[in-house]
Amino acid sequence: GQNIDQPTEMTATEGAIVQINCTYQTSGFNGLFWYQQHAGEAPTFLSYNVLDGLEEKGRFSSFLSRSKGYSYLLLKELQMKDSASYLCAVVDSNYQLIWGAGTKLIIKP
Amino acid sequence: DTAVSQTPKYLVTQMGNDKSIKCEQNLGHDTMYWYKQDSKKFLKIMFSYNNKELIINETVPNRFSPKSPDKAHLNLHINSLELGDSAVYFCASSSHSSGGRNTGELFFGEGSRLTVL
Repeated sequence: GQNIDQPTEMTATEGAIVQINCTYQTSGFNGLFWYQQHAGEAPTFLSYNVLDGLEEKGRFSSFLSRSKGYSYLLLKELQMKDSASYLCAVVDSNYQLIWGAGTKLIIKP
Repeated sequence: DTAVSQTPKYLVTQMGNDKSIKCEQNLGHDTMYWYKQDSKKFLKIMFSYNNKELIINETVPNRFSPKSPDKAHLNLHINSLELGDSAVYFCASSSHSSGGRNTGELFFGEGSRLTVL
């Protein structure tokens, strides 16, 4: 079967750095997305990786290793507004999106 | 202007009723989707609709039916509502797809929270 694993919940301190990991086992791979979802709101796009390596976008970076079936989302200089769920999603060989359950990130002052 | 809009945002109804959720996108995208997000927060694809090609997730009960009057609209109709249908339903659209296959970023509506009593 297809599977996306992420930690259920993480806690970090305002101003610090946090890394949210995602591992996947899917039938084929055509890219990996990270989305942010605030409570009661819609998911919004953060990043897309299809090649190995690090993609940096402001305070957020996303890393991919296809050989390891692994990605992480790195958030720097954490702000209270970064408290949200972070969803990892993989595009499989049929171009279907397989979603993880999300990681709830709690930021403390 | 809202890119993907869906109505109603909240819907409370009794078991056995029939209800519809409407979705419209003004992004000019070719593909639209319906997702269900349950209490465990998993996003599950229900339907994707691209150039009149409907791809159905086989696990979706046939009480659920999408209706698309044009490529900017994809409505969700639900017959004989059950308690387990309670969830948040998200409409989404994307520009990069082929035959309903997603290759690009999804733009989501705000969600419609359905509660079945």
